[in-house]
This record gives sequence, structure tokens and C-alpha cells, in this order.
Amino acid sequence: DQQVKQNSPSLSVQEGRISILNCDYTNSMFDYFLWYKKYPAEGPTFLISISSIKDKNEDGRFTVFLNKSAKHLSLHIVPSQPGDSAVYFCAATNTNAGKSTFGDGTTLTVKP
Amino acid sequence: DADVTQTPRNRITKTGKRIMLECSQTKGHDRMYWYRQDPGLGLRLIYYSFDVKDINKGEISDGYSVSRQAQAKFSLSLESAIPNQTALYFCATSARPRSTRTDTQYFGPGTRLTVL
Repeated sequence: DQQVKQNSPSLSVQEGRISILNCDYTNSMFDYFLWYKKYPAEGPTFLISISSIKDKNEDGRFTVFLNKSAKHLSLHIVPSQPGDSAVYFCAATNTNAGKSTFGDGTTLTVKP
Repeated sequence: DADVTQTPRNRITKTGKRIMLECSQTKGHDRMYWYRQDPGLGLRLIYYSFDVKDINKGEISDGYSVSRQAQAKFSLSLESAIPNQTALYFCATSARPRSTRTDTQYFGPGTRLTVL
């Protein structure tokens, strides 16, 4: 059973508009959540994170929202830019275990 | 210079061959990880190590082994490669969490392995 799910394999938005990427998890032991961005032929790079004690974290154009009761988090990118086109992975961590579980990724395409 | 390097970047081999993928890091991190990624899927954890004397199996360790030669080096071996081990392999590192939480992982560029 997949503990971290990104139900949308792909998303296409127009430049300047908002991109919303979603992630659901099932394990209530997860207490830290991260988003990574991956370009072709490169490794994933860290984008933004949120602790389970918060419901929002913002960094420039990127905001992550956490709804613990729904076991759902989302990444908002505003405004979207063509350079944001990449695969985005959601990851959930059980701090005590020290390792992350990744979703399958969402490919974001931002059209000029 | 890259903080996390992987060698080789690409490798084609035949069924039954022994293969070693190497990972080095200059970040000074204690923790290192090996993942594989298959098309359309996320990163699945093969093995991880929290320090030189600590090795742990991940969710898909069968058919793989690892060696943590030093804090900076973590190697992944396929003792007898098979075609379904064809995938993209990533090494990652992270710092030991201290007073401030940090579960961020830093990834290498990946090794594309093809087993014929």
C-alpha cells in the first residue's frame, strides 16, 4: 500500500497563473513533509518543507499547506513561470525513523 | 563542484554481471541513502546508513548490497544484475537532526543503469 500518493501524474498551467500540486498520505506517524523538484538528467532538489505543527509555510512564490485531519498537503506556486516546469515529488518523514517516503511525482508544465 | 557525486552516470551491463555504483559527498553529512526510480514512479528506498557502522535495509533491498567505506562514501552493489533492476539510481545525504529539524536530503545526479 502506498503511504504517500500524488494522484495527478501531470498538470499544465499558463504562465502567470497558480499551480496547485496535491499530496495525500496515510501514515499518521509522519511529522515532517517536504517537496522536491526534479529536472531531467538531474537529481531531485529540495524546494520547501513543513512541520506537522504548522499548517502553512511560505517561501517566495512557493507555499505549502498542510491539513493534518485530512492527511493532505498541497504546494502552491504563484505566479507560475516556465522555469517551474519539472517533476515535483512530495515526501513524508517520520522523524524518529529518519527516512522519507516519496510520492510518484507530478509533472508540471508551465506554458508561456 | 557538486556536493554529492555518483559514478558512473550511465552503465549498460548484462544479466548476471556484478555491478557497483559509487557515491561520494563533501557535505559532511552522517546519513546516506540509495534510491531507485522507475518510469512514472517515485523514489523507493533500497538501503540507508546513519553512520559508518550503521546499515539498514529499505523497502526494496532484495538483490542489492551496500558498503559504507567512510563517512563520505556509500556504495551500492548488484551481485548478479537482472533486467528488472534497470532503473535510475540516486544517492542522497542528510544531516543528523540537531536542535533544528532538518530532514532535507541532498541528491546526486543519478546513475542510469540498463541490464540487458
